[in-house]
Amino acid sequence: SQELEQSPQSLIVQEGKNLTINCTSSKTLYGLYWYKQKYGEGLIFLMMLQKGGEEKSHEKITAKLDEKKQQSSLHITASQPSHAGIYLCGAPGNNDMRFGAGTRLTVKP
Amino acid sequence: DVKVTQSSRYLVKRTGEKVFLECVQDMDHENMFWYRQDPGLGLRLIYFSYDVKMKEKGDIPEGYSVSREKKERFSLILESASTNQTSMYLCASRRDYGYTFGSGTRLTVV
Repeated sequence: SQELEQSPQSLIVQEGKNLTINCTSSKTLYGLYWYKQKYGEGLIFLMMLQKGGEEKSHEKITAKLDEKKQQSSLHITASQPSHAGIYLCGAPGNNDMRFGAGTRLTVKP
Repeated sequence: DVKVTQSSRYLVKRTGEKVFLECVQDMDHENMFWYRQDPGLGLRLIYFSYDVKMKEKGDIPEGYSVSREKKERFSLILESASTNQTSMYLCASRRDYGYTFGSGTRLTVV
């Protein structure tokens, strides 16, 4: 089965700094989803990538899927306290979605 | 927007109790899922359903059962709650590849 590995597991950054979270798949990705989860709450959809080399941006968050479709990165520019939370990547399988273990982001004011 | 509603945000139950976690979606999605989320383990699939009265086991179905009597409602049942079932439970529904999650139920079994 497909496995998704996220790195780093946790990240603490100073407000205003840029950061990158990575998601690596054991198999070719036919779609890659990024979600954000505030502590103790459900998952909020951020972006979906499908094509190799695709890049999408929303406000200060940019996600990319590499050409080989086995790795995705999520980049946050000029981080703010509102960016804090857990970021998860997900890949659709035959019946369900598989998730990485998540990256916990803390932004210090 | 699709809405997935989980009936309880926080729940505390005693060991051995039968526990019902309810999930309702309002957009006529066929597919519904129950995941549990634990630190360091991410989300793990417990059960899913692709139609009324249909259910399939996920990766960790032991100790759980589900019920889907109506399309909009997917219930997770802990037959006899145990402390190792203390976790965050997340329900999701899906149309094509778009998943929508509920807010989660944090269950503590004491």
